[in-house]
Amino acid sequence: QVQLVESGGGLVKPGGSLRLSCAASGFTFSDYYMSWIRQAPGKGLEWVSYISSLSTYTNYADSVRGRFTISRDNAKNSLFLQMNSLRAEDTAVYYCARGDMNAFDIWGQGTMVTVSS
Amino acid sequence: IVLTQSPGTLSLSPGERATLSCRASQSVSSSYLAWYQQKPGQAPRLLIYGTSSRATGIPDRFSGSGSGTDFTVTISRLEPEDFAVYYCQHYGSSPTFGGGTKVEI
Repeated sequence: QVQLVESGGGLVKPGGSLRLSCAASGFTFSDYYMSWIRQAPGKGLEWVSYISSLSTYTNYADSVRGRFTISRDNAKNSLFLQMNSLRAEDTAVYYCARGDMNAFDIWGQGTMVTVSS
Repeated sequence: IVLTQSPGTLSLSPGERATLSCRASQSVSSSYLAWYQQKPGQAPRLLIYGTSSRATGIPDRFSGSGSGTDFTVTISRLEPEDFAVYYCQHYGSSPTFGGGTKVEI
């Protein structure tokens, strides 16, 4: 079935780095834009970044631009988010999501990132 | 584009009708307005895309409407599983989400 599975979350100190991964299955990964979306504890949803199907286009929220880098490996059906210079306010559940029909139609279960000393 | 949802919390009983609103800070194309449902501890689920099209598997008690800056999702008769948080979202070059409406019993 169509599925997205995130991994790579954990506890990291302020200023540290973390790399998230998202494994896709059940669909032709290379046909779709993919995004990362996060949700701080008890808060709403915040779009973080997207990447086009062939990695031609990327975009970032202002809150992460210059610190986070999105990438993908279509041969391995995988999406990545490299997070550098992490701050306490980056603490959140990070979801990967597929873009289709001008919406996010498939979501992973999320991976928790905690930035704390 | 900033999306403002109202009310913040809606307290209703099963069987009642729920109307959730989403107002955009400027006019948006109806093709790019979506709604999601999120239950505690779960990922969001797509409910409505393109303002009024139901996603796969979404029951017909959910309907969406609107244009320009004002959009609405209506749940005709609340079922116990519908009590959750609902988010509207604009799928633009920098996607944005509304702050959410909690539908509680």
